[in-house]
Amino acid sequence: AQRVTQPEKLLSVFKGAPVELKCNYSYSGSPELFWYVQYSRQRLQLLLRHISRESIKGFTADLNKGETSFHLKKPFAQEEDSAMYYCALSSYNTDKLIFGTGTRLQVFP
Amino acid sequence: DAGVIQSPRHEVTEMGQEVTLRCKPISGHNSLFWYRQTMMRGLELLIYFNNNVPIDDSGMPEDRFSAKMPNASFSTLKIQPSEPRDSAVYFCASTFGASGELFFGEGSRLTVL
Repeated sequence: AQRVTQPEKLLSVFKGAPVELKCNYSYSGSPELFWYVQYSRQRLQLLLRHISRESIKGFTADLNKGETSFHLKKPFAQEEDSAMYYCALSSYNTDKLIFGTGTRLQVFP
Repeated sequence: DAGVIQSPRHEVTEMGQEVTLRCKPISGHNSLFWYRQTMMRGLELLIYFNNNVPIDDSGMPEDRFSAKMPNASFSTLKIQPSEPRDSAVYFCASTFGASGELFFGEGSRLTVL
């Protein structure tokens, strides 16, 4: 069965500190992984996807098939990064997305 | 485009009452999803439609929940009868193809007393 696990409900850091939001998945096939973000009073939106291999707002995420992980990282957190972050998985060539339980990131000044 | 439109934004009702949530997807999108968000379980997929046809409803919790998509521009999620444990934020999202990028509505916050 497909499953996405985000072990931390809350992650608090100070501005300028490195951030790593953890995501592990279980899926027998070839998955596609995504990170979605929900800023305060805004809609849930796509942040990045593993196939793009791009950096968005300073965030990167590398798919590690051996560890079945897709952790989200940023070297220097900013206050505006405070939001709810969801890791999501879809199986190849389908549009069904399974989300994790989310991690709330708080960046203090 | 105004994006995915959901109504009502907030609903407070009493246990046993029927609740109907509505969604208008983005024009041209052919897949529509209903998710439920709670603190404990995060975002749970309830059901999704492709070209107005229900594809996977395995996440619908009970027979009390039903969803319809009579045409490409409208979907409803109905709870009858509602219970306090149904209190959550219900999100509708739409997309085109298998891009993985879902466009979410602002959500409907349901409180069942």
